[in-house]
Amino acid sequence: DQQVKQNSPSLSVQEGRISILNCDYTNSMFDYFLWYKKYPAEGPTFLISISSIKDKNEDGRFTVFLNKSAKHLSLHIVPSQPGDSAVYFCAASEGNTPLVFGKGTRLSVIA
Amino acid sequence: NAGVMQNPRHLVRRRGQEARLRCSPMKGHSHVYWYRQLPEEGLKFMVYLQKENIIDESGMPKERFSAEFPKEGPSILRIQQVVRGDSAAYFCASSRSGGTNYEQYFGPGTRLTVT
Repeated sequence: DQQVKQNSPSLSVQEGRISILNCDYTNSMFDYFLWYKKYPAEGPTFLISISSIKDKNEDGRFTVFLNKSAKHLSLHIVPSQPGDSAVYFCAASEGNTPLVFGKGTRLSVIA
Repeated sequence: NAGVMQNPRHLVRRRGQEARLRCSPMKGHSHVYWYRQLPEEGLKFMVYLQKENIIDESGMPKERFSAEFPKEGPSILRIQQVVRGDSAAYFCASSRSGGTNYEQYFGPGTRLTVT
């Protein structure tokens, strides 16, 4: 039973345009959400997080939106750059319980 | 580079052998987490340790797997009598404080192949 779902295995975007990566979750008790970025042969790198008391968090080119009623969050990257090409993982936690990760979305930014 | 270190980066074992994976957390971090990533899957939590203590091992298989984080030295994930299904990437992460609301920094992973 997958509690965190990333339904798009891959996404291609042109350089300079907006990349939107989506994540759905089933556990309404999740109260903290994170996005990680992973390059091949490297470990995941923390990107941005959001608490359930907020609906938006912004950090430079990266913005995460949380829609609790829809149990949906999204990561917006604008403008997209070729160096953003990587696999992006959505993760969630409830209180101090372990992080639950989605399967990832592979983003390709085309120059 | 004071990041999370994992070794070996690649490990090949035959069925029935033991695998030992090591993780040195970032300087100043006393909380270590182990995750496993199977092909085409997300990372799955295995175990959370502090120095000399296992805090949460709810994701660890009950048999053949064990983990420790001694007072001195790296954290070790040990897999006895490996089987083909153990082939995966094993990632270690560390954090300054405990709980999932503190940013976890990941190591580069150990890719275990069981032949």
